[in-house]
Amino acid sequence: KAGVTQTPRYLIKTRGQQVTLSCSPISGHRSVSWYQQTPGQGLQFLFEYFSETQRNKGNFPGRFSGRQFSNSRSEMNVSTLELGDSALYLCASSLARSHRLITGELFFGEGSRLTVL
Amino acid sequence: AQSVTQLGSHVSVSEGALVLLRCNYSSSVPPYLFWYVQYPNQGLQLLLKYTSAATLVKGINGFEAEFKKSETSFHLTKPSAHMSDAAEYFCAVSDRSGGGADVLTFGKGTHLIIQP
Repeated sequence: KAGVTQTPRYLIKTRGQQVTLSCSPISGHRSVSWYQQTPGQGLQFLFEYFSETQRNKGNFPGRFSGRQFSNSRSEMNVSTLELGDSALYLCASSLARSHRLITGELFFGEGSRLTVL
Repeated sequence: AQSVTQLGSHVSVSEGALVLLRCNYSSSVPPYLFWYVQYPNQGLQLLLKYTSAATLVKGINGFEAEFKKSETSFHLTKPSAHMSDAAEYFCAVSDRSGGGADVLTFGKGTHLIIQP
């Protein structure tokens, strides 16, 4: 069974540009979450999607956005990049089959490492 | 609001020695608790989880953790360290009340160093 796939794995952008990261969850997983990992702040929750709906959002500015498609694949976008956006962006999927079922167990991809120059 | 505190950003043990990584949590509801491991340039891999069943949880690679409600702790242990255990370890708590979503709050992580 294929795991969570994130593309691209590495990318370099300059300040002011925008970036789109892609995530394909494990087959059958309908919940997709995004986390930002930096040395200073650690792992921070960005947002979570279930059946194309954003259910939760972390404390990030509006420059960070995301969406989920009908096949559960997800993208996140960061506009007007800042130096501080340099991070490893991790996508995770979970087996939650309905809005009432919380498993708490996330399966992570290897991440997309973004460097902003 | 929930939170996780991992004591010690770096822990160094000798190969074959006991591994003990400490985690304390704060949660307003009975928590789900997790330990994840991250190897360099990789994502997070689940080691073990506590979901209100047995308080002693066994995970992969010989790791286990014990949920102690009175101490609000969920420390990770392994009887005998192996060089391959060198990695970053994260304790996490799940917000089971968070609108039906699987949202994890992570600790800052503990870097485990294994001395030969």
